[in-house]
Amino acid sequence: NAGVTQTPKFQVLKTGQSMTLQCAQDMNHNSMYWYRQDPGMGLRLIYYSASEGTTDKGEVPNGYNVSRLNKREFSLRLESAAPSQTSVYFCASRLQGALRTGELFFGEGSRLTVL
Amino acid sequence: SQQGEEDPQALSIQEGENATMNCSYKTSINNLQWYRQNSGRGLVHLILIRSNEREKHSGRLRVTLDTSKKSSSLLITASRAADTASYFCATDATGNQFYFGTGTSLTVIP
Repeated sequence: NAGVTQTPKFQVLKTGQSMTLQCAQDMNHNSMYWYRQDPGMGLRLIYYSASEGTTDKGEVPNGYNVSRLNKREFSLRLESAAPSQTSVYFCASRLQGALRTGELFFGEGSRLTVL
Repeated sequence: SQQGEEDPQALSIQEGENATMNCSYKTSINNLQWYRQNSGRGLVHLILIRSNEREKHSGRLRVTLDTSKKSSSLLITASRAADTASYFCATDATGNQFYFGTGTSLTVIP
């Protein structure tokens, strides 16, 4: 199994350009997450989707949109990229249930540079 | 910010020594998890401790949780060079959102 797959792994954008980061998981997990990681800041939650058809804001949602396309896929879109969005983006998923608190499974990251 | 903080930010030890890192958080939690991140890679889950637990062991890992002080510690015993990585705590307050600390960078010198 591939686990959590993110594409692209690397991307360079100019200020104002748009792009979509793709994430797919093959573990039949119901919850999916997008984080950004900046030096000295740890990981910060951008958006999450507790289940198919729902999305909610995290700590730093401004400048981003998400789509939970189906149970497997959760995409993150930057409509007008800014240099402050230069970061490493991680997608994660987990199996959540009433009697279970599942751990997060992470992708390998997407490294985005905005010039 | 709902982020926690790890302490120390960086830790360098000799192989065979124990490594202790601490995590402080701000809100009441359901559980706390520790993750490891090798350079340039995604995070990998190490251990979970629930709010009603005080200590948990997994192999060379020992985690403690003090909810009255809103703090947790991760002890890695008999460290190895392969333990070199960054370690993060993550708190779950709502069952849906996980908030990560700023991380401890551990270097184990062979």
